[in-house]
Amino acid sequence: QQQVKQSPQSLIVQKGGISIINCAYENTAFDYFPWYQQFPGKGPALLIAIRPDVSEKKEGRFTISFNKSAKQFSLHIMDSQPGDSATYFCAASPLESNTGKLIFGQGTTLQVKP
Amino acid sequence: DSGVTQTPKHLITATGQRVTLRCSPRSGDLSVYWYQQSLDQGLQFLIQYYNGEERAKGNILERFSAQQFPDLHSELNLSSLELGDSALYFCASSVGGREGSYEQYFGPGTRLTVT
Repeated sequence: QQQVKQSPQSLIVQKGGISIINCAYENTAFDYFPWYQQFPGKGPALLIAIRPDVSEKKEGRFTISFNKSAKQFSLHIMDSQPGDSATYFCAASPLESNTGKLIFGQGTTLQVKP
Repeated sequence: DSGVTQTPKHLITATGQRVTLRCSPRSGDLSVYWYQQSLDQGLQFLIQYYNGEERAKGNILERFSAQQFPDLHSELNLSSLELGDSALYFCASSVGGREGSYEQYFGPGTRLTVT
């Protein structure tokens, strides 16, 4: 119940294309869903996050789509660039438990080809 | 730069030894989180402190312990080290608190190698 399942494990996209990464969860107590980007040798960096009271959030080229009934959420990267090549992690947190601890998906390695 | 600092950057030690990892949160953040990143387990939550008190515990081994000091920096102590403890250890911080922001900002990590 504490798991967050992420797919695909790896993704190759052409420059200018759309990258889509999906996550699914079981625990209905989760109420905060961030996405992190990690470059080799660096710590994860917060990209964008969503609460379950909205179905979509957009920041620049990054969009989170959220489907509460299906318990799924996804990250869309529009106009993907070689500089977007990194590992992406979805996460979920039961904020109501007053901790904010993050449960992470297994990660998706994105390669954007020039 | 997230504003979270971690030392040391790399640590190489032998099995059975004890090490201490240090984290300084972003200015103003009261919550500190520790995560372990390994190839087989991914990113796993270990423990959280809020304003000096333990707030949540994850899959943290009994050989591991942590604390948060009055100046809000935190230390993660790993003892009786095993080969399987080799991993990246990240610290993250957030404003925290029931009414505060839970956005977590990660440090650059400490790479621990146990030989």
